[in-house]
Amino acid sequence: QVTLRESGPALVKPTQTLTLTCTFSGFSLSGSGMCVSWIRQPPGKALEWLARIDWDDDKYYSTSLKTRLTISKDTSQNQVVLTMTNMDPVDTATYYCARSCSWFDYWGQGTLVIVSS
Amino acid sequence: DIQMTQSPPSLSASVGDRVTIACRASQSISTYLNWYQQKPGQAPKLLISAASRVERGVPSRFSGSGSGTDFTLTISSLQPEDLATYYCQQSYTSAQFTFGPGTKVDL
Repeated sequence: QVTLRESGPALVKPTQTLTLTCTFSGFSLSGSGMCVSWIRQPPGKALEWLARIDWDDDKYYSTSLKTRLTISKDTSQNQVVLTMTNMDPVDTATYYCARSCSWFDYWGQGTLVIVSS
Repeated sequence: DIQMTQSPPSLSASVGDRVTIACRASQSISTYLNWYQQKPGQAPKLLISAASRVERGVPSRFSGSGSGTDFTLTISSLQPEDLATYYCQQSYTSAQFTFGPGTKVDL
């Protein structure tokens, strides 16, 4: 079955760089038509799409955050990595990874990242 | 970027009520519209894709309709387990997905 799991630090300091890893199983990112996205949700607020990486290594970023984001994949490890630079307290959120190129049919459980000094 | 709005922001209903949630896109998105249910403390769950395709395992009381800029999620007979926040999401521009602000359903 398809599973995704996010991992990374629970606490980061302002100005630091956040690195999150999505480890998945049940599908391959080397297969045509597969994509993985990162989505975040500040406490009590709405979902915000951040970035997407496709099976062919095409990458897409949120217009408002693209200067701070980098997405990459390690197909052999079934992992997708998101880095976000210059973290700020407003970036405090639960970060999710999810499968699919269009609608998100499988999600990880999310990882809460708090930005505080 | 395409902006998504939802109405109402929240609603209170009783078990058995018919509930309708609206979603509007800032430009035409054909039927590239998806609906999610998020219960407290959980990840979102895909309910409906492509405006009206109900996902496998989703109760038949959930349905979706619309095209262009206006879309609707309907719960035909509200159940206690439907307490959640519902989000729409456009996938018309695959390089810039956007979600609506959500509609919280209380009982």
